[in-house]
Amino acid sequence: DAGITQSPRHKVTETGTPVTLRCHQTENHRYMYWYRQDPGHGLRLIHYSYGVKDTDKGEVSDGYSVSRSKTEDFLLTLESATSSQTSVYFCAIRTGISALGNEQFFGPGTRLTVL
Amino acid sequence: SQQGEEDPQALSIQEGENATMNCSYKTSINNLQWYRQNSGRGLVHLILIRSNEREKHSGRLRVTLDTSKKSSSLLITASRAADTASYFCATNDSGGSNYKLTFGKGTLLTVNP
Repeated sequence: DAGITQSPRHKVTETGTPVTLRCHQTENHRYMYWYRQDPGHGLRLIHYSYGVKDTDKGEVSDGYSVSRSKTEDFLLTLESATSSQTSVYFCAIRTGISALGNEQFFGPGTRLTVL
Repeated sequence: SQQGEEDPQALSIQEGENATMNCSYKTSINNLQWYRQNSGRGLVHLILIRSNEREKHSGRLRVTLDTSKKSSSLLITASRAADTASYFCATNDSGGSNYKLTFGKGTLLTVNP
């Protein structure tokens, strides 16, 4: 997990409250991603960023917003948390190890419970 | 929507045996990757195979790709208890952007000592 930190690592919140998850990288990578992981669904892309202030939606973006005001930080916000957003959230960066590759490196995850 | 689908969903073997996991996908791809996830941790990249490659090796890992069947397999030889983890395939779709991956639901591998 070197190079990416996520905070908080665990959070319990109540329905209707706003929640912000933070992803921080130390390696100046351009592309950053937010995924959620749920049993039976695998990993699904919520939002991604291809530069400062440049973001786009993934396949499960409803109810989530993101911001990237500087290269190293990518924030995921749940404006009004719902129980269906209980999940484990992973941040990732695109490392592009190989010339044409797009390998991703993942953070340790944030376990969010919405009561 | 899910692109890769791993098979089986769960696999239990004895230490020293080989483990084979399969991934099927639906659309044309640029490359296919395999990741490992230990319990409670993030995913770790294992190996990438490009669409013009048929086989690739990395240590005890062997990956094959059959684009005509839209399938890939991951073979772990001489498995160890430490190989116990979930394994995911991920595709970079040729019709999409180069910087997005679509993950499957994973195969849970248990290696018994």
